[in-house]
Amino acid sequence: ILNVEQSPQSLHVQEGDSTNFTCSFPSSNFYALHWYRWETAKSPEALFVMTLNGDEKKKGRISATLNTKEGYSYLYIKGSQPEDSATYLCAFSGGSNYKLTFGKGTLLTVNP
Amino acid sequence: SAVISQKPSRDICQRGTSLTIQCQVDSQVTMMFWYRQQPGQSLTLIATANQGSEATYESGFVIDKFPISRPNLTFSTLTVSNMSPEDSSIYLCSAEQGGNTIYFGEGSWLTVV
Repeated sequence: ILNVEQSPQSLHVQEGDSTNFTCSFPSSNFYALHWYRWETAKSPEALFVMTLNGDEKKKGRISATLNTKEGYSYLYIKGSQPEDSATYLCAFSGGSNYKLTFGKGTLLTVNP
Repeated sequence: SAVISQKPSRDICQRGTSLTIQCQVDSQVTMMFWYRQQPGQSLTLIATANQGSEATYESGFVIDKFPISRPNLTFSTLTVSNMSPEDSSIYLCSAEQGGNTIYFGEGSWLTVV
């Protein structure tokens, strides 16, 4: 059974704070690591797909890093805004069959 | 990016009944999947919906409980059969459209009473 862990489970920050979350995943049979942003009643929004050890990706104020050898990824949000409030999910893919194993997510609340 | 529409978005169902969820993608895709998220749990893959053949189910999920159809490259249905309160979940349809990105629908929120 694949185990994908995310921490923290939830996080409350003030507007303007920078924050980061962790995703740990199996370091064997790695194919890709996905990050999603999920707001209630909306589709999970794909943020990043990372495949190579050492990958760093950026989208606006959000960035992510990947370490496949030790099995972890970090998601960073710089200068959090209330609209960043959502659940952030990571998902591990162990092959090109595109099947995803998800963590339970980190619920971010940004207070104005 | 693929746009995925699901119906119904929300429903309250009586135990013992069945409900079919529809998933429509705005473009042809090779791979379609069904996931569910039970309260407090992670998103879990139910099955891969194969076009023109039987779906491939993950461990713990069976065709009699979750029959799936995939008549073409843009449409799939998931039926939740003989529902019990444990089936109260969010059910999500997803599709792969190249570049390793998996897109999701908005989900179907089912409550079984």
